[in-house]
Amino acid sequence: DIVMTQSPDSLAVSLGERATINCKSSQSLLYSSNNKNYLAWYQQKPGQPPKLLVYWASTRESGVPDRFSGSGSGTDFTLTISSLQAEDVAVYCCQQYYTTPYTFGQGTKLEIK
Amino acid sequence: QVQLRESGPGLVKPSETLSLTCTVSGGSISGYHWGWIRQSPGKGLEWIGYVLYGGSTNYNPSLRSRLAISVDTSKNQLSLQLNSVTAADTAVYYCARRSLISNSGWFDPWGQGTLVTVSS
Repeated sequence: DIVMTQSPDSLAVSLGERATINCKSSQSLLYSSNNKNYLAWYQQKPGQPPKLLVYWASTRESGVPDRFSGSGSGTDFTLTISSLQAEDVAVYCCQQYYTTPYTFGQGTKLEIK
Repeated sequence: QVQLRESGPGLVKPSETLSLTCTVSGGSISGYHWGWIRQSPGKGLEWIGYVLYGGSTNYNPSLRSRLAISVDTSKNQLSLQLNSVTAADTAVYYCARRSLISNSGWFDPWGQGTLVTVSS
């Protein structure tokens, strides 16, 4: 199975500041035939299901604020929130869909400093 | 807007079968791919499996011998059956729509989830 490891486990950022969450996969998620990275990011607020933010590592889902951006390739990926808002407090996790079994990172808890 | 809602018993005895239903509203279940994901208390997400719109399934090897996922298009429902459960199967179970693009695999939207506790 592909192991997804996120860092840090938790993060406290001041309102309006940048938040950066990392996700590392145990093998490359870049599919050479289409040059796409098979990685998604989700946001999970307390008591709610995960919400899709980004797929193909950097394609923002419709309706997701543009302060959220995904980047990276191969085995190293980043979710960046450019200017943290109070409503962004949540757990963020990455998921690889390069191969089954699909696997998720352990999650990063984002809080307000 | 498509909405998903999981339902089923919240308590299952060890060695028995866990059966859940996911009802899809606001759209047809036909023509889409659907999956199940679970989250154990305080832990991360675990992909259980999915069913493609053609009916074929793909299961997590860790659960494959005990698992069945199916779709009932007449009821617009997705179902999950997990046999011989143990305490390790205690989790919040989510149903979700899997992306349609060939060779992709993200999930959106998700149901609210239902907590299943395995205990005697």
